[in-house]
Amino acid sequence: KAGVTQTPRYLIKTRGQQVTLSCSPISGHRSVSWYQQTPGQGLQFLFEYFSETQRNKGNFPGRFSGRQFSNSRSEMNVSTLELGDSALYLCASSPDGQGSGYTFGSGTRLTVV
Amino acid sequence: GDSVTQMEGPVTLSEEAFLTINCTYTATGYPSLFWYVQYPGEGLQLLLKATKADDKGSNKGFEATYRKETTSFHLEKGSVQVSDSAVYFCALSENSGNTPLVFGKGTRLSVIA
Repeated sequence: KAGVTQTPRYLIKTRGQQVTLSCSPISGHRSVSWYQQTPGQGLQFLFEYFSETQRNKGNFPGRFSGRQFSNSRSEMNVSTLELGDSALYLCASSPDGQGSGYTFGSGTRLTVV
Repeated sequence: GDSVTQMEGPVTLSEEAFLTINCTYTATGYPSLFWYVQYPGEGLQLLLKATKADDKGSNKGFEATYRKETTSFHLEKGSVQVSDSAVYFCALSENSGNTPLVFGKGTRLSVIA
């Protein structure tokens, strides 16, 4: 069974640009969550989507947004990039959003220059 | 809100040494507890979990016991190997409702031959 697939693996963007990251969950999983990982702040929850609806949201500015499609694939978008947005962005899927079922992807490494 | 505190690293051990990584938590309800491991350049992998008080999670020689009275979930391994070198994250998720995983800051373990 395929795991959680995140694309691209690496990305370099310039300040002020916008970026879209993609996550394909495990087949049958309806919940997709996004986390930002930085050396200073550790792993911080961005948002969770379940059946195309945002169900939980972390404490991030409105520049961070996401969506989920009917096939459960999810995208997150960051607009007006700042240097501080440089991070590893991890996606996790689960059948129902309960903590015990999460499977993480390998992440997208975003570097803002 | 919920939080997880784990010992600061890095931790450096010789091969076959005993490992303990401390983790304590604060939660409003009755959480499930997890240990995740992150190898260089990879996402997070679930190492073990426990869903209620006094449960012991175990995997690959690692163990952790859910201690409600001390709100702890310390990770232990009797004899570490070089291949155990990684970053270890303690995490919780409330069992009631759909709440995201809350992570500790992570502990980097280096095992030298």
